[in-house]
Amino acid sequence: RKEVEQDPGPFNVPEGATVAFNCTYSNSASQSFFWYRQDCRKEPKLLMSVYSSGNEDGRFTAQLNRASQYISLLIRDSKLSDSATYLCVVNSGYNQGGKLIFGQGTELSVKP
Amino acid sequence: GAVVSQHPSRVICKSGTSVKIECRSLDFQATTMFWYRQFPKKSLMLMATSNEGSKATYEQGVEKDKFLINHASLTLSTLTVTSAHPEDSSFYICSARSRSSYNSPLHFGNGTRLTVT
Repeated sequence: RKEVEQDPGPFNVPEGATVAFNCTYSNSASQSFFWYRQDCRKEPKLLMSVYSSGNEDGRFTAQLNRASQYISLLIRDSKLSDSATYLCVVNSGYNQGGKLIFGQGTELSVKP
Repeated sequence: GAVVSQHPSRVICKSGTSVKIECRSLDFQATTMFWYRQFPKKSLMLMATSNEGSKATYEQGVEKDKFLINHASLTLSTLTVTSAHPEDSSFYICSARSRSSYNSPLHFGNGTRLTVT
């Protein structure tokens, strides 16, 4: 089983749509969770951290379910500029030096 | 915000040559940096953890003699791909934390696209 697994994608949606990405992780000792965004041929950029209580940043909402080891990202009112690959990222835990483990990414394409 | 600078951004070299990639934390000190590589349409794979003043920790399957890492100061880590082969062609990205907490996110350099001919 992969350490971090995401929806395979790609997701093709019209502008204004709501889209949800799902992610599961295998290491129950993981302490911190993030969503990164990666544009084509660029480095990943932090989109948002994910907190146990759930958190929102504008059109983006992240949720964490520790019992199910499940993370989600919801994007409302999609914009063309949201087109990118979204990476679910999990901290491997203190005993492994806090390495970040990346999911394979889910590609999003927002069309006019 | 925290800035990580990576150089060069692109390099083309011939088989058998060595390539050095530099990663600098510009406005913070990083005792630990992480080196990733990414193949097209694939996710980032951690290669090694670079530790200032000590040996790097390599992930399983990564040859330490092939990918030499040096972390000589709190703001600079280098990755040298020795005797490069075409299969080493990839996108190499370094990263670091601007805060000491291991739970904090990583900031990434802009990456180095290596092509070995």
